[in-house]
Amino acid sequence: SQTIHQWPATLVQPVGSPLSLECTVEGTSNPNLYWYRQAAGRGLQLLFYSVGIGQISSEVPQNLSASRPQDRQFILSSKKLLLSDSGFYLCAWSAPGTGRWNEQFFGPGTRLTVL
Amino acid sequence: GNSVTQMEGPVTLSEEAFLTINCTYTATGYPSLFWYVQYPGEGLQLLLKATKADDKGSNKGFEATYRKETTSFHLEKGSVQVSDSAVYFCALSDRGGGSEKLVFGKGTKLTVNP
Repeated sequence: SQTIHQWPATLVQPVGSPLSLECTVEGTSNPNLYWYRQAAGRGLQLLFYSVGIGQISSEVPQNLSASRPQDRQFILSSKKLLLSDSGFYLCAWSAPGTGRWNEQFFGPGTRLTVL
Repeated sequence: GNSVTQMEGPVTLSEEAFLTINCTYTATGYPSLFWYVQYPGEGLQLLLKATKADDKGSNKGFEATYRKETTSFHLEKGSVQVSDSAVYFCALSDRGGGSEKLVFGKGTKLTVNP
């Protein structure tokens, strides 16, 4: 069966510090991968998605970036965090070309607090 | 662009009450529609989906019908339980760039009291 992991689960960082959040998927190949941010009272916002290694599409201009160095690994980064980067970050995957191509499966999330 | 509007929360019900959470959407083309549920401190789980007009998605006693004429996908459950307390998100698919992206509503927090 497929599983998705995110770490760390929680993170408290000072303003101006760097960030690296990691997401890995097991039990599937060539998934589409997604990063979302959930801010209080604002629903989920798609930040980045990737259809393959090294292929990143950005949905919202900001000081965050994403990379996909391996097929099942997706990393969210920042060089300098802002207070507004605080939120709950969710990674998700989907399986294109299968019967469940339009479903997304979410990880447990990372709670980021920028102080 | 595509968008989803769902009723503002929070919603508080007593156990065994009837639940309706309204969701309407704006989309070009024919999107798939979804309800996701988020339990406290966790990620999102797919609750149900419908891929074309008049389809009814159902799971765990929850139901929603894809109504193209009213652009709606309201979530219903006949008798809620305390364990249904969670945040519910309505979403639609938005295919672009070779990937199936989801557009979410803002979420509705449901609290069920014993």
